[in-house]
Amino acid sequence: DTGVSQNPRHKITKRGQNVTFRCDPISEHNRLYWYRQTLGQGPEFLTYFQNEAQLEKSRLLSDRFSAERPKGSFSTLEIQRTEQGDSAMYLCASSFRSRISYNEQFFGPGTRLTVL
Amino acid sequence: TQLLEQSPQFLSIQEGENLTVYCNSSSVFSSLQWYRQEPGEGPVLLVTVVTGGEVKKLKRLTFQFGDARKDSSLHITAAQPGDTGLYLCAGERAGNNRKLIWGLGTSLAVNP
Repeated sequence: DTGVSQNPRHKITKRGQNVTFRCDPISEHNRLYWYRQTLGQGPEFLTYFQNEAQLEKSRLLSDRFSAERPKGSFSTLEIQRTEQGDSAMYLCASSFRSRISYNEQFFGPGTRLTVL
Repeated sequence: TQLLEQSPQFLSIQEGENLTVYCNSSSVFSSLQWYRQEPGEGPVLLVTVVTGGEVKKLKRLTFQFGDARKDSSLHITAAQPGDTGLYLCAGERAGNNRKLIWGLGTSLAVNP
């Protein structure tokens, strides 16, 4: 396993268009996280899954954002009717959650979204 | 409300200097992690500290967890240009959720 992968690495779109990003986590990890990050800032939590269940969604996440993790494997993040303020790096991370683990997260390289 | 305060926010130093980055909170964490992120890439985990007063060393990097598990520091000795990046701390709070709380990061530039 080569780690967490994300596709595409870069996406340029026009305002109002829909975009979808994909994340493939480390195969044995049961938790998957989506974050948004702007330049020079820390990751901003969006949502996370444990297996296929979406356990929490940030209040910052508008109705235009939706995430899925069918079958508890890869995940997709869709943004509908994109706005210029959606321009950011979208990061995916995975971890193995157990009673004794410390939720150490392994990140993908991110998808850089630019909304024109 | 930012639960994890990192300082300084920006740091520009010369190669060979020492530096310390701080991560402070009023909350208690069951563990605290430090990550380093290079431009255009995702954060990479450096270390996890879990015991109050714990000190961990990673080559020229020394990490310390406060006795009360509310704060942490990262000290870099003889910084090199390859240390340049965004350093992030993230704390895990006790409970079933165990979601990480992230600091805003310290952007470090080490000039040759």
